Amino acid sequence: GEEVAQTPKHLVRGEGQKAKLYCAPIKGHSYVFWYQQVLKNEFKFLISFQNENVFDETGMPKERFSAKCLPNSPCSLEIQATKLEDSAVYFCASSQRQVTGELFFGEGSRLTVL
Amino acid sequence: RKEVEQDPGPFNVPEGATVAFNCTYSNSASQSFFWYRQDCRKEPKLLMSVYSSGNEDGRFTAQLNRASQYISLLIRDSKLSDSATYLCVVNGVTGGFKTIFGAGTRLFVKA
Repeated sequence: GEEVAQTPKHLVRGEGQKAKLYCAPIKGHSYVFWYQQVLKNEFKFLISFQNENVFDETGMPKERFSAKCLPNSPCSLEIQATKLEDSAVYFCASSQRQVTGELFFGEGSRLTVL
Repeated sequence: RKEVEQDPGPFNVPEGATVAFNCTYSNSASQSFFWYRQDCRKEPKLLMSVYSSGNEDGRFTAQLNRASQYISLLIRDSKLSDSATYLCVVNGVTGGFKTIFGAGTRLFVKA
């Protein structure tokens, strides 16, 4: 597609429930990034992929967060056993080049944990 | 110390004013630099890339000072539509290639 598509736009979960977010990058973009933005504060880098391979996962809280980018499927970010502090907007971005490329963002998925 | 630091503002300026934002980064090995704009409750969008030679796009001018590790954005003749959060973004190597965002500088342009 011509734009990064994220679903769902909004997701509400009770504490302890699982949440799964999806991202379809722009066709032809090799790199996918996930960011977490809490209450319009700064973007926290979570993980990046080069095609289906994890490129950098140093931002991921490993205990409950996982992510995948499989061939011919949207990328996904999954949170097991959500906590209140996971409430945020999760942005996905894609890029043609890792270092010098412009990031194209999706509209974000707003997760609310009650 | 944060890897990318910005003054959060807010900057409140009248239409037609000139306003400048600065951003500092800690990693001297950083390789590419950008300014993004984020409107309320929306996704960030690229405003401009930043080069050592400086670059200009209409009313917007960006500069990079590698020696002092800071980036600047100058907006001339501010418009109401310039009201947004301006994010300083740095690509670098910190245990792996990573794109780091500053916390953003909030700008309000008033009539």
